[in-house]
Amino acid sequence: SYELTQPPSVSVSPGQTARITCSGDALPKQYAYWYQQKPGQAPVLVIYKDSERPSGIPERFSGSSSGTTVTLTISGVQAEDEADYYCQSADSSGTYEVFGGGTKLTVL
Amino acid sequence: EVQLVESGGGLVKPGGSLRLSCAASGFTFSNAWMSWVRQAPGKGLEWVGRIKSKTDGGTTDYAAPVKGRFTISRDDSKNTLYLQMNSLKTEDTAVYYCTTGIAVAGTTGYFDYWGQGTLVTVSS
Repeated sequence: SYELTQPPSVSVSPGQTARITCSGDALPKQYAYWYQQKPGQAPVLVIYKDSERPSGIPERFSGSSSGTTVTLTISGVQAEDEADYYCQSADSSGTYEVFGGGTKLTVL
Repeated sequence: EVQLVESGGGLVKPGGSLRLSCAASGFTFSNAWMSWVRQAPGKGLEWVGRIKSKTDGGTTDYAAPVKGRFTISRDDSKNTLYLQMNSLKTEDTAVYYCTTGIAVAGTTGYFDYWGQGTLVTVSS
């Protein structure tokens, strides 16, 4: 079955830039989406179609794509950005959706 | 305002059945592709399955771990989504979220609205 691979954890100091990667064989063909989830809350969409930002999401959140890897970048990280982040995409057939295993972002 | 409200969670024994409901409001439910996503305690998100709008065929697709045991259905007259879960296993224990969003290029796309989730516990 198709898998998306994320690093389990990323740590940065406030004001620095955090980069979270997501790798998958079908990513050159399928869009990727990113979600932020804080404890006890439902996920929130932060990036769609690889690099588009929904209204209400701060400009410090951005996304990019290169080959089989997509990257969520958070510039000028703030304490409130500490959360779990998940990528999501479809398999090569476009039928089944898959989430990455999630990355815990720690703000030191 | 879009609202998705799940109900029906609870404790069930292995091998048992449970039906979850998701009451939708604030958008045109009949036009929406709806999905269920679950999250086991302390674990990541897992897509369970999706039902397309009737105008797009109303077809369903399921993740491999639940295929043949779970069934997604919808009642557009009641703006309600359902998840019928049969032959439940301990590994089905999770918070189940009802979600909707925008289909993209024929795929389910992304989820920009989520319910608060309902907890299903499968245990003897």
